Amino acid sequence: EVLLLESGGGLVQPGGSLRLSCAASGFTFTGYSMIWVRQAPGKGLEWVSYITSSSSTIYYADSVKGRFTISRDNAKNSLSLQMNSLRAEDTAVYYCARAAVLEIFDYWGQGTLVTVSS
Amino acid sequence: QSVLTQPPSVSAAPGQKVTISCSGSSSNIENNYVSWYQQLPGTAPKLLIYENNKRPSGIPDRFSGSKSGTSATLVITGLQTGDEADYYCGTWDSSLSALFGGGTKLTVL
Repeated sequence: EVLLLESGGGLVQPGGSLRLSCAASGFTFTGYSMIWVRQAPGKGLEWVSYITSSSSTIYYADSVKGRFTISRDNAKNSLSLQMNSLRAEDTAVYYCARAAVLEIFDYWGQGTLVTVSS
Repeated sequence: QSVLTQPPSVSAAPGQKVTISCSGSSSNIENNYVSWYQQLPGTAPKLLIYENNKRPSGIPDRFSGSKSGTSATLVITGLQTGDEADYYCGTWDSSLSALFGGGTKLTVL
């Protein structure tokens, strides 16, 4: 069974940093690209970042470029999102998902809530 | 405002059919596959349709998708109360970003 489990969310002040993690199991992690998607309270889905299986290709949404860094540790079956210079508009539930191919996100975690507030 | 345009809401009675549209452009839908995701209240999104019209294992054939030009459509037939959810279309864009539609809230009356 494919499982994705996010952690690391919480309350952080504007300008602060937070690191999210996603533990993957039930599939060959090294065979898949991964993404982060977020959903602000009461809003729709917003794609955040994409990383290929070998980390050779990485993409970011313009809204987070230069502030967020996606990475993965294939030895630990783990995906991360380092978030710096956080803003109130970054408040959202953050989901990690497996990318079967470029635009097919076939398994999702349950999400972790990030709240940016003073 | 999303690059992919969906109606904010649709509704229909149990047993009926509903159609949800997703409008994009030549830089996204026209030249890429479209996926559809279902998000039940309080849960994570779930892949419903991929590559325009294919269903993952376990998705009933009441759900179908199609694409024509710069638009895609999700059709749900034989509506059930358990289908009440938010539905999102998704695709890739030539700007090297993934896109989601703004979402459509389905109400089964």
